[in-house]
Amino acid sequence: QSVLTQPPSVSGAPGQRVTISCTGSSSNIGAGYDVHWYQQFPGTAPKVLIYGDSNRPSGVPDRFSGSKSGTSASLAITGLQAEDEADYYCQSYDRSVSGWVFGGGTKVTVL
Amino acid sequence: QLQLQESGPGLVRPSETLSLTCTVSGGSISSSSYYWGWIRQPPGKGLEWIGSIYKSGSIYYNSSLTSRVTILQDTSKNQFSLKLSSVTAADTAVYFCAGGRITFIPGGAFDIWGQGTMVTVSS
Repeated sequence: QSVLTQPPSVSGAPGQRVTISCTGSSSNIGAGYDVHWYQQFPGTAPKVLIYGDSNRPSGVPDRFSGSKSGTSASLAITGLQAEDEADYYCQSYDRSVSGWVFGGGTKVTVL
Repeated sequence: QLQLQESGPGLVRPSETLSLTCTVSGGSISSSSYYWGWIRQPPGKGLEWIGSIYKSGSIYYNSSLTSRVTILQDTSKNQFSLKLSSVTAADTAVYFCAGGRITFIPGGAFDIWGQGTMVTVSS
């Protein structure tokens, strides 16, 4: 059971917009700790997609965007492309366990 | 450009200690503005944070593993290491070493990752 809750899967047709939610609590996201998002392809290491709630590292397409409100955060992918099919994880910090916490991951499927 | 590389045995016997090393290249582990950490991923499952270490010596461990885990840094070799004792099959996973830029509050992103190394616990 992950501290941060994500839907196991989301899907969309090419060109559509999909969102992935990351639900936390008052001891992590709701406490103001940053939320980060990672993209992971099979057999490879995760890569930062969004850091500090809504910031994109250089090289990440602006199709990817992050937001946060209250005890939840979201990753949006607009103009979905076949190459976006991957697993996505949110991550934050939880003061009740004094540690970094990950969501359970969401598999994005492009129909 | 900082790069990380994990090394260590790919097979560990049950009840023994898992030991992995992460070698940092492209910069000094002691003078950089990064903290370092270990994350694991059991086959077909999600990411689990194991622990993080700062150059100041501050160390944070996952509360579910704290009784079995030790993370150390060796500045002379530009490496940091992971030891996980009394392993069971549940510790079978890909182990990643990673680094993140030190921020004002804890919980920063891990923006540099090693390629990961598969460790199997089996007799």
